[in-house]
Parts: sequence; C-alpha cells; structure tokens
Amino acid sequence: GAGVSQTPSNKVTEKGKYVELRCDPISGHTALYWYRQSLGQGPEFLIYFQGTGAADDSGLPNDRFFAVRPEGSVSTLKIQRTERGDSAVYLCASSISGRAPYEQYFGPGTRLTVT
Amino acid sequence: KNQVEQSPQSLIILEGKNCTLQCNYTVSPFSNLRWYKQDTGRGPVSLTIMTFSENTKSNGRYTATLDADTKQSSLHITASQLSDSASYICVVRRSGGGADGLTFGKGTHLIIQP
Repeated sequence: GAGVSQTPSNKVTEKGKYVELRCDPISGHTALYWYRQSLGQGPEFLIYFQGTGAADDSGLPNDRFFAVRPEGSVSTLKIQRTERGDSAVYLCASSISGRAPYEQYFGPGTRLTVT
Repeated sequence: KNQVEQSPQSLIILEGKNCTLQCNYTVSPFSNLRWYKQDTGRGPVSLTIMTFSENTKSNGRYTATLDADTKQSSLHITASQLSDSASYICVVRRSGGGADGLTFGKGTHLIIQP
C-alpha cells in the first residue's frame, strides 16, 4: 500500500517568503508527526497531531511555524518569514496511534533551502 | 537531560565485512529503543524495536542488543552489502513521554565499499 508522501520533495525560497509543506499520511493513521532534520543530525521533533488536533506543539521553534490537519488526514506545515536557518529536511511520520510501541512510518521528507 | 549518543559518527568498511554500531542513552524512565535505517534522501525505516526485557533481537543480517542496566545498545550488521550504506539512527522513547518522549541520536553514517 501507499506510504507517507510529502510534497514538494524540494523547495527553494528566498529569505522572508512564506512556504507550505504538505504531508499525506498512511490511510487510517490517526497520529501524525513533523520533524526537522539538519545535515548530520537526527530528526528534531516539531509537532504531533492526534486526529485533527495538535496534541503537542512544544517542538515548534517559534511563532513563525504553524501546522494544521483540518480533516484528520493531510497536514500542512507553514513557515512564515523564512530565515536561512530554517533550511533543513522536514520529515513527516504517521502511526496508527500516538502510543508506544506503534511504529512511526516516515515520509521521504521535503528539503527546504532558504537563500 | 535525556540524551542519545551514537558512535562512531561515521564508518567505512568493505563489502562482506561485519560491523557494530553503538548507542548509549540517558533517557529515563525507559520505554523502548528503536534502530532506524535512513537511506540518503529518504525517511528513516525501523529495523528493530527493543523493550526493557529484551536483550537481543534479529532482523535478517541486523542484530540489535540492549543492556538496560548500562543503558547501552548495539546494532551488529553481518556480511555487509552495498545496500547497507546509510545512516543508522538510535531512538529511545521515554515512558509517558507522549509525542516528545522520543530522543533521537545523530546517527552513524555507514559506507560500504566494494
């Protein structure tokens, strides 16, 4: 079956612009996670959805970052006034439930480059 | 502070050889530990998951060990293949930690040379 998909695969934007990154989770997965991964680093937690609601957004670095999941399926990560430091791979993962030990299935990521 | 340290940072070995990757953690209270394989340009894929009571678990040529007393885990790869070239990430979950109960290591970048 289809895995987690993310679009676009690559995004280049100018400093100060607004970007949206999309995640399509595995059908039926109620939990959805966003991570940011810089070169040579492990994924860094940003936000977690259980259904439509953000159950934990403690990882969002500042108020320029926002994410939505209005129908409990597709999620969009939104970054306002992008900065060069936002350049990274943004990973999305989904799982059947937000409780361990359910496995997280990761998408291929969106590589964001802010020039 | 909850931390996961992996070593070595990078490793180059010849095809067919074995290797062992290390993961030390300070996450507490411990729930489980996963090893992920991340190919270049792809998302991480789970190889094994280990809970407190498990000492060793195999998945094909991959064997993970866990010593919960010393808070150490290892991933042993046997008879390496070119397709094993990837980053291997150790992830530890804290009990009751919810979504942010996961602590990711920085990974070991493994290169298999023909």
